[in-house]
Amino acid sequence: QVQLQESGPGLVKPSETLSLTCTISGDSVSTNGYYWSWIRQPPGKGLEWIGYVHYSGRTSFNPSLKSHISISADTSKNQFSLKLSSVTTADTAVYYCASDSAPNRWFLWGQGTLVTVSS
Amino acid sequence: EIVLTQSPGTLSLSPGDRATLSCRASQSVSISLAWYQKKPGQAPRLLIYDTWNRAGGIPDRFSGSGSGTDFTLTISRLAPEDFAVYYCQQYGSSPYTFGQGTKLEIK
Repeated sequence: QVQLQESGPGLVKPSETLSLTCTISGDSVSTNGYYWSWIRQPPGKGLEWIGYVHYSGRTSFNPSLKSHISISADTSKNQFSLKLSSVTTADTAVYYCASDSAPNRWFLWGQGTLVTVSS
Repeated sequence: EIVLTQSPGTLSLSPGDRATLSCRASQSVSISLAWYQKKPGQAPRLLIYDTWNRAGGIPDRFSGSGSGTDFTLTISRLAPEDFAVYYCQQYGSSPYTFGQGTKLEIK
């Protein structure tokens, strides 16, 4: 059974970089055809797609965040990662990693991790 | 960016009732629409994709319909575990966007 698990700091200071990792078990980040995505939900608000990395290394990002994001895959650790730079309090959210054979919908999800941006 | 508007914001029904949730897109997404169920403290669960296809393991009391800009999620007979927040999501064009959610609560 494939599982995803997010990890990373729960507290980040404004203007710093938020870094999260999603560890994949039961499958490989190199699995042909799969997309590995990040989605977030600020407290009391709706869901927002952040971006994805394809097994080939190709990426796509939400234009509203594009200048601040990088998403990459580490095949040696079977993980993929999100980096969001110059964070503000508006970036406080539960961050989910997710996956599917399509780039734009998500069947498999991690449990989510709350990241608070505060000084 | 395509904006999705869900209605109603809150739906109060009883177990055994039929639930009808609506999602309207600001421009056509063809049939590129999904529905998710979300419970507090849990990750979203994909219910429906491509407007009417049920995801793996989803009971057949869940069904989707529509095309273009107007979509519906129907739950034929509500089970106690169905009370949650439901989100529609479009992938007709990037960025992929979600509606604001419909809360299905027990009456």
